[in-house]
Amino acid sequence: SAVISQKPSRDICQRGTSLTIQCQVDSQVTMMFWYRQQPGQSLTLIATANQGSEATYESGFVIDKFPISRPNLTFSTLTVSNMSPEDSSIYLCSVSQSNGNEQFFGPGTRLTVL
Amino acid sequence: AQSVSQHNHHVILSEAASLELGCNYSYGGTVNLFWYVQYPGQHLQLLLKYFSGDPLVKGIKGFEAEFIKSKFSFNLRKPSVQWSDTAEYFCAVTPAFTGGFKTIFGAGTRLFVKA
Repeated sequence: SAVISQKPSRDICQRGTSLTIQCQVDSQVTMMFWYRQQPGQSLTLIATANQGSEATYESGFVIDKFPISRPNLTFSTLTVSNMSPEDSSIYLCSVSQSNGNEQFFGPGTRLTVL
Repeated sequence: AQSVSQHNHHVILSEAASLELGCNYSYGGTVNLFWYVQYPGQHLQLLLKYFSGDPLVKGIKGFEAEFIKSKFSFNLRKPSVQWSDTAEYFCAVTPAFTGGFKTIFGAGTRLFVKA
């Protein structure tokens, strides 16, 4: 298993600003993912964070809006850029030791954009 | 496109009642199947998983799930629920043996167990 922390746990931001969310894991992991969970909806994969290279984004998500860094095997950041109220959501970091295997989730970051 | 359907968005049961939460997926190939649970105020965590072998898998806290390949289903069951089972339950599917390994989550089912 893995213990995952996220910062901040919640934030309220103004339209047009950016927020960077940090994800820290207590052990080295192969796979790191970023999800969005909008109110009343399921988890949607934003991207897979790749160590030492550009993230792999899912359809509907682009690097300019959601830049991701992963400098090592235990840390990643997701930035939500130029925010609008539609970006209000819970953002979740998850990790897995191998493709297709179970994931361990962080506590999430609850973002409200005014 | 691949999808996961959970039949019930909200379920209310009394303690000791039996539980079955439906999950169907649309993908013709080999899949890995998961049920995750999120208790109030806690992280999402794994309840049980199926990769291969016996299609009836047992998880934590007395939960089990049955994979029926012909029905593309992976329903979650518990014979007798407790108040502490109040939580949101997510079915998830990952296509196996493909390059993407993207996990698709269902919309979730909120279970409330009355004491």
